[in-house]
Amino acid sequence: GQNIDQPTEMTATEGAIVQINCTYQTSGFNGLFWYQQHAGEAPTFLSYNVLDGLEEKGRFSSFLSRSKGYSYLLLKELQMKDSASYLCAVTDSNYQLIWGAGTKLIIKP
Amino acid sequence: IAGITQAPTSQILAAGRRMTLRCTQDMRHNAMYWYRQDLGLGLRLIHYSNTAGTTGKGEVPDGYSVSRANTDDFPLTLASAVPSQTSVYFCASSDSAGGHEQFFGPGTRLTVL
Repeated sequence: GQNIDQPTEMTATEGAIVQINCTYQTSGFNGLFWYQQHAGEAPTFLSYNVLDGLEEKGRFSSFLSRSKGYSYLLLKELQMKDSASYLCAVTDSNYQLIWGAGTKLIIKP
Repeated sequence: IAGITQAPTSQILAAGRRMTLRCTQDMRHNAMYWYRQDLGLGLRLIHYSNTAGTTGKGEVPDGYSVSRANTDDFPLTLASAVPSQTSVYFCASSDSAGGHEQFFGPGTRLTVL
């Protein structure tokens, strides 16, 4: 079966750094996405990794290890507006996105 | 229209009724998708369309049907609604199928009583 695992909830402090992990087991791999979803809103795209390594985009970075079936999203200099759910999704061999249940990130002052 | 829109925003529906959720995009994207999102579960693909005139079944297609008569519109129909179809429904589109960022509509919150 296909499976994507990420923690259900995490808490961090404003100004700090947080790492959200994602592990996956899918039939084939054609890339991994991270999306942000604020409560009551639609998901919005954050990052895409298809090769191993780190992709940096401002305060957000995403890492991929295909051999380990593992990715993480790193958020630096946390702001209150970063309180949201973070969704990990993998493109499988049929080029369909398989989604994790999401990690709810709570930022405290 | 800017991006992707959905209608209605929310709806309360009696079980057994027929309902069509509308989705329109103006980005000329080839691929479109319908997902449902339930608490504690990831987004689950209901149906998709890789290009106008074609559709395919996703992970949870039972009880739903779609059509793709043109590039812009991708309606989702519940032929006879049941309470288990209570969910938030998101329509999304991407330039093409596979490996491309998906853009999401604002969602439709559907309650079936």
